Amino acid sequence: ELKVEQNPLFLSMQEGKNYTIYCNYSTTSDRLYWYRQDPGKSLESLFVLLSNGAVKQEGRLMASLDTKARLSTLHITAAVHDLSATYFCAVDTGNQFYFGTGTSLTVIP
Amino acid sequence: DAGVIQSPRHEVTEMGQEVTLRCKPISGHNSLFWYRQTMMRGLELLIYFNNNVPIDDSGMPEDRFSAKMPNASFSTLKIQPSEPRDSAVYFCASLPGSYNSPLHFGNGTRLTVT
Repeated sequence: ELKVEQNPLFLSMQEGKNYTIYCNYSTTSDRLYWYRQDPGKSLESLFVLLSNGAVKQEGRLMASLDTKARLSTLHITAAVHDLSATYFCAVDTGNQFYFGTGTSLTVIP
Repeated sequence: DAGVIQSPRHEVTEMGQEVTLRCKPISGHNSLFWYRQTMMRGLELLIYFNNNVPIDDSGMPEDRFSAKMPNASFSTLKIQPSEPRDSAVYFCASLPGSYNSPLHFGNGTRLTVT
């Protein structure tokens, strides 16, 4: 059974600080996605990573993919309160998407 | 584009009643997924369709759950009879035929079974 593990599960960080969320998965795949979910809302696509070494950046968020290590990271730079949300990674094995457990991020002023 | 449309947004029902959740995928998308989200189990894939045909329903918890996709623009997820442990947020998501696209999620249906 494919496993997608994120850590940490909960993250409380101060504004202005940097941190990284990790996503490990247990099968071969070169397609990985990051989503954001605000409380009570739907999931919004953030990044699409399609090959080994792929790096995408949007504002204070940067995502990368290492398919050999089966690892993706979501790096937060100089966090701001608006980034408070739950972040999910999802592995695509060919029209099946397996989601990680989610990382609940709280940015404290 | 209106995005993936789900209805109702909220559903409160009593144990034993039948519940039907509805989903309209994005026009032109040819795959549709039903997920269930709970605090305890996270996001679980229940079933997915490709070109209106169920491909994998191994995530459907038990026979009380059934899903249909009679045409490319409509799908239902039915629970009969409902139980309190079915309380969750149910998401529908669709996917275009092009490779390497993320899932597009609807706003979800929050189901409460008392």
